[in-house]
Amino acid sequence: EPEVTQTPSHQVTQMGQEVILRCVPISNHLYFYWYRQILGQKVEFLVSFYNNEISEKSEIFDDQFSVERPDGSNFTLKIRSTKLEDSAMYFCARAGTGGYEQYFGPGTRLTVT
Amino acid sequence: DQQVKQNSPSLSVQEGRISILNCDYTNSMFDYFLWYKKYPAEGPTFLISISSIKDKNEDGRFTVFLNKSAKHLSLHIVPSQPGDSAVYFCAALLYSSASKIIFGSGTRLSIRP
Repeated sequence: EPEVTQTPSHQVTQMGQEVILRCVPISNHLYFYWYRQILGQKVEFLVSFYNNEISEKSEIFDDQFSVERPDGSNFTLKIRSTKLEDSAMYFCARAGTGGYEQYFGPGTRLTVT
Repeated sequence: DQQVKQNSPSLSVQEGRISILNCDYTNSMFDYFLWYKKYPAEGPTFLISISSIKDKNEDGRFTVFLNKSAKHLSLHIVPSQPGDSAVYFCAALLYSSASKIIFGSGTRLSIRP
């Protein structure tokens, strides 16, 4: 059973369009993360989110990206104007009880054409 | 940024034998090291971790060894089983309230009959 669920599993969009990727935790958690993996490359940290605020973000997470928890449950990653290089697998993760391990969702494959 | 390095992109091991996956790191301040297993089209699955103050952690068939002086860790799987065929990521983090995980590039493990 996944620790978090993610929707959609695959999103195809045209360059310049906005996309919203969703993450739904199975139970109540406070710390969430977004990572991405471009095909053939490492899994890269994008942003961490705690108590409805960004805790840390990477240099990848520029002004085109935003995160929010609009209804206190779903956790979303928005890309305002997608570029070809945004094509990747995007993973949501939540912190474990130990405070250091993280449990990942199944991912959303984003394809920008 | 090559803080966590996995120099072997692939490894093939016979079923029943020991699989040894290696990882090197450069940041001596890392607090925890983790191993994740990833199947195609799925998110990374947390496997095992080790604190920087330990040199060994064992969980069933999986053992992680940490050599801080060499900045090296390894994951041992014994005996190797067909279901172990996957990509294994070494990862590390600096512990804080919303720690980001830094991943290596992964090693593809293939277990042959």
